Amino acid sequence: QVQLLQSGAEVEKPGASVKVSCKASGYMFSGYAIHWVRQAPGQRLEWMGWINAENGDTKYSQKFQDRVTITRDTSANTVYMELRSLTYEDMAVYYCARGDVSNMWPFDFWGQGALVTVSS
Amino acid sequence: EIVLTQSPGTLSLSPGESATLSCRASQSVSSSSLAWYYQKPGQAPRLLMYGASIRGAGIPDRFSGGGSGTDFTLSINRLEPDDFAVYYCQQYGTSYSFGQGTKLEIK
Repeated sequence: QVQLLQSGAEVEKPGASVKVSCKASGYMFSGYAIHWVRQAPGQRLEWMGWINAENGDTKYSQKFQDRVTITRDTSANTVYMELRSLTYEDMAVYYCARGDVSNMWPFDFWGQGALVTVSS
Repeated sequence: EIVLTQSPGTLSLSPGESATLSCRASQSVSSSSLAWYYQKPGQAPRLLMYGASIRGAGIPDRFSGGGSGTDFTLSINRLEPDDFAVYYCQQYGTSYSFGQGTKLEIK
């Protein structure tokens, strides 16, 4: 069955970076895209960007473009999301989710989420 | 960016009743690229509906979706205890954006 298994909770200081991983299993990794979505407490879901797992092409939300990098390791069926220059406003649960590489498409499977806490 | 506004913010109903949730977009959503998700506390969102009216895998026919352009609805018949959750709409026609959610709670 399709599974997206994310890395665990992280605690980082303001100004630091965080890197969250998302390991895919149960389907052909290179046939899909992986998106990153975050959810701050009491806020709506917020799309951050996506990567084409086949060729590594990425697209980022304008809001995060200067601070986020999404990469993949095809040998490990794993996608990484790094967010830099953290502020308290970045405290959120970060989800990876599967999408389609060739069409705009909804997200049919999601990871369990990774809580990122920003604390001095 | 297309902004999605959901209403009501909270809907209080009893099991067995029917629910209607609304999602309005700030501009037309192309090709009815509108999805609905539901999320229970501590869990990831789950895809319920896409293409405005197509049920996701394993979703019962008590759930139905409709609408086009800027106005979309999600209807749930014969509410069951597991249906009480937060529901989000998402448009995926022009980049991606989500509504602020409707909380469906037990009355």
